[in-house]
Amino acid sequence: SQQGEEDPQALSIQEGENATMNCSYKTSINNLQWYRQNSGRGLVHLILIRSNEREKHSGRLRVTLDTSKKSSSLLITASRAADTASYFCATGQNSGYSTLTFGKGTMLLVSP
Amino acid sequence: ETGVTQSPTHLIKTRGQQVTLRCSSQSGHNTVSWYQQALGQGPQFIFQYYREEENGRGNFPPRFSGLQFPNYSSELNVNALELDDSALYLCASSLEGQGARNTEAFFGQGTRLTVV
Repeated sequence: SQQGEEDPQALSIQEGENATMNCSYKTSINNLQWYRQNSGRGLVHLILIRSNEREKHSGRLRVTLDTSKKSSSLLITASRAADTASYFCATGQNSGYSTLTFGKGTMLLVSP
Repeated sequence: ETGVTQSPTHLIKTRGQQVTLRCSSQSGHNTVSWYQQALGQGPQFIFQYYREEENGRGNFPPRFSGLQFPNYSSELNVNALELDDSALYLCASSLEGQGARNTEAFFGQGTRLTVV
């Protein structure tokens, strides 16, 4: 079953604009991780935010986490055509072992 | 480059056959998790191997099995293949235990399995 739900399902913007993707989840988590996937290939790890953190930055990426609302957002600033990909949030739980539960992803298209 | 390698990259099998997929974990990592990603979906957890033992399992039937070797590499075996097994199979490498918590999982490029 999928715990995370990304919103929107698809997003189309112009180069230079900002892109915001949201993720909601259902159960308590240890952490939340964002991944990028190009053309159905492997997942590239972007950023991990722990359950006791509220905001984290990495280059042009900004991630927020609101555990009271069980939601997270990924902001990509000054987007580039190379940012075109599918973006997934994955919640990390630890119930004897750690595992990631993914949503269906947001497909981002950045046009030149 | 994550240092996680999977082989083969593509595979075509006939329904009813068996398949073995391989994964080499990133240096320093002791845990491998396998995920199945159907077209248009997010990855679904199959199982995890830690210290050569299955450490957790998702909602997959017993015909999905695995192994982890002393060098932490891993295999995923699927018996009696069905058409619905067609998917991208991803392995993820991480460091678990030894006080490690909230660690990132790094993925390989995946194996695209097509069952005909």
